[in-house]
Amino acid sequence: KNQVEQSPQSLIILEGKNCTLQCNYTVSPFSNLRWYKQDTGRGPVSLTIMTFSENTKSNGRYTATLDADTKQSSLHITASQLSDSASYICVVSAPGTYKYIFGTGTRLKVLA
Amino acid sequence: DTAVSQTPKYLVTQMGNDKSIKCEQNLGHDTMYWYKQDSKKFLKIMFSYNNKELIINETVPNRFSPKSPDKAHLNLHINSLELGDSAVYFCASSMGQGAGNEQFFGPGTRLTVL
Repeated sequence: KNQVEQSPQSLIILEGKNCTLQCNYTVSPFSNLRWYKQDTGRGPVSLTIMTFSENTKSNGRYTATLDADTKQSSLHITASQLSDSASYICVVSAPGTYKYIFGTGTRLKVLA
Repeated sequence: DTAVSQTPKYLVTQMGNDKSIKCEQNLGHDTMYWYKQDSKKFLKIMFSYNNKELIINETVPNRFSPKSPDKAHLNLHINSLELGDSAVYFCASSMGQGAGNEQFFGPGTRLTVL
């Protein structure tokens, strides 16, 4: 079982709508959590990074939240645009390791 | 002024052949990685080098051999290619090897083994 699970697997929304993507992890101890955006045919690009003590962080229309107690994170996208169509990947790191544990990703499609 | 570049972008080859994928970063980073992304889009780390020294070597067949001639380059050589090697291979780099360092990814190399 993967230590980082994301839901939903895929999501289709209309342009202008909001959406929320979920990431649940079992990695412990926990160091930080990143959300990446991967456009089709491209490499992932970091959106946000959150450490143990942070609850929320925004990057434009993207807002990430973290609940370290329940080991859950969410990525909220406000006023979606066609360019938001991509895969969103949650990546968790443990302290004292060099490893990044990738989630299964959520494929978002925004329709006009 | 591409940060992390990979060549080739596409690679189609026959089973049993040997091929190489090259990666270069101009960010001045110390750490470089190779990832494999399968058909389900799941990214899995294969190798990581820090200052030309191997620090992560996941359970990867020894047909895969990384080579880091210098800090800015990490190449991946694959011997005796198999059908299951078909995937997209991503190179990445980061400033340091700690878990808090952001990784910058290349555009990927789509390998198809026939």
